[in-house]
Amino acid sequence: AQKVTQAQTEISVVEKEDVTLDCVYETRDTTYYLFWYKQPPSGELVFLIRRNSFDEQNEISGRYSWNFQKSTSSFNFTITASQVVDSAVYFCALSEETGRRALTFGSGTRLQVQP
Amino acid sequence: GAVVSQHPSRVICKSGTSVKIECRSLDFQATTMFWYRQFPKQSLMLMATSNEGSKATYEQGVEKDKFLINHASLTLSTLTVTSAHPEDSSFYICSAGLMIGGHSNQPQHFGDGTRLSIL
Repeated sequence: AQKVTQAQTEISVVEKEDVTLDCVYETRDTTYYLFWYKQPPSGELVFLIRRNSFDEQNEISGRYSWNFQKSTSSFNFTITASQVVDSAVYFCALSEETGRRALTFGSGTRLQVQP
Repeated sequence: GAVVSQHPSRVICKSGTSVKIECRSLDFQATTMFWYRQFPKQSLMLMATSNEGSKATYEQGVEKDKFLINHASLTLSTLTVTSAHPEDSSFYICSAGLMIGGHSNQPQHFGDGTRLSIL
């Protein structure tokens, strides 16, 4: 069975601080996809990134960066120079390569960026 | 890019009412759509997998007679909450992915969700 663990329930930082959101996953599949989504108070899910299990390169997109470590089954997300608009709940998710492509979500991390 | 449209965005109704939620893929065909439920301050949990032209697959603990799913076309799946009660109040969200050759190489696209409140 697949499992995604986001141990940090809530994080509060002051604007311009860097913050890292942790994600640890479990799967028996050798091929899988990892995702990060942002859920603002309005509720919609905003897609941030998808990573294939064979691609362990770290990725940077503006102030966002992701660190995929297959050896530790982690896919951590860092926001550099956080802004108030980054305040949201962030979900890490996992899906298998074949068969059903439903996502298994972590419990989410609520990020509050204080001005 | 691909977009999934979900309607309505919010429903408030009396206990015992049946509520239908629509999920449409706007510029691609989706043979499979997924329905998730999110209770306040909790994560998204898969309820069922909606398959075009066949019966939906429900997750353990989800009553198929309570949550009716119809996927009659490649662009539309509906979830009907029958005889809704206050405990059914939740955020329901659908997703779909572009499938090619039975597999998807695309991220899941989510609708904006439906906030259901049963009085």
